[in-house]
Amino acid sequence: KAGVTQTPRYLIKTRGQQVTLSCSPISGHRSVSWYQQTPGQGLQFLFEYFSETQRNKGNFPGRFSGRQFSNSRSEMNVSTLELGDSALYLCASSPQRGAGTDTQYFGPGTRLTVL
Amino acid sequence: QQQVKQSPQSLIVQKGGISIINCAYENTAFDYFPWYQQFPGKGPALLIAIRPDVSEKKEGRFTISFNKSAKQFSLHIMDSQPGDSATYFCAADYSGSARQLTFGSGTQLTVLP
Repeated sequence: KAGVTQTPRYLIKTRGQQVTLSCSPISGHRSVSWYQQTPGQGLQFLFEYFSETQRNKGNFPGRFSGRQFSNSRSEMNVSTLELGDSALYLCASSPQRGAGTDTQYFGPGTRLTVL
Repeated sequence: QQQVKQSPQSLIVQKGGISIINCAYENTAFDYFPWYQQFPGKGPALLIAIRPDVSEKKEGRFTISFNKSAKQFSLHIMDSQPGDSATYFCAADYSGSARQLTFGSGTQLTVLP
């Protein structure tokens, strides 16, 4: 099976702009989670989607949002970008509970730089 | 609130040595504890995971030791190799339907040849 794919891999934006990142999960996986990775704060959970519904949300401002489509692909959006939003944004997919594993499989990430 | 504390921040070992990374958690509702390995420019990849009903799990050169009463777990890498040089993260999750990994701060491991 193909792994989790994320596009684009690199992105440069300026303060105040908005950005949309895309994630395609492993085939058959219906849960998609997003994480932010920075040197200062480490890996932090943003939100999780399952069957097009947000099931869980981390402690991030409302500027961070996401959605999931019927084919399980997911997008996250950050509006009014701030310098502190510069980070590696990771997407992880996993099968539904009870499918034999609780593993979350991560994609390579999108490196966002805000100037 | 940091719910999973990881130490050390960095670790240097000689080839063939044992690398030990420790984690402690606060929330007793956690019941799934994975370790991830991350190379530069890559996403984290699952190494090994354990549940609280088991005190130790071994997969190849990697072993997790789990102490439920102390709320601590550790990763042991036996016969460490230069190719093991990476950043290691411990994490914790709940069994509920929603998924939310809480990560430790990471350990940068360097294995000298």
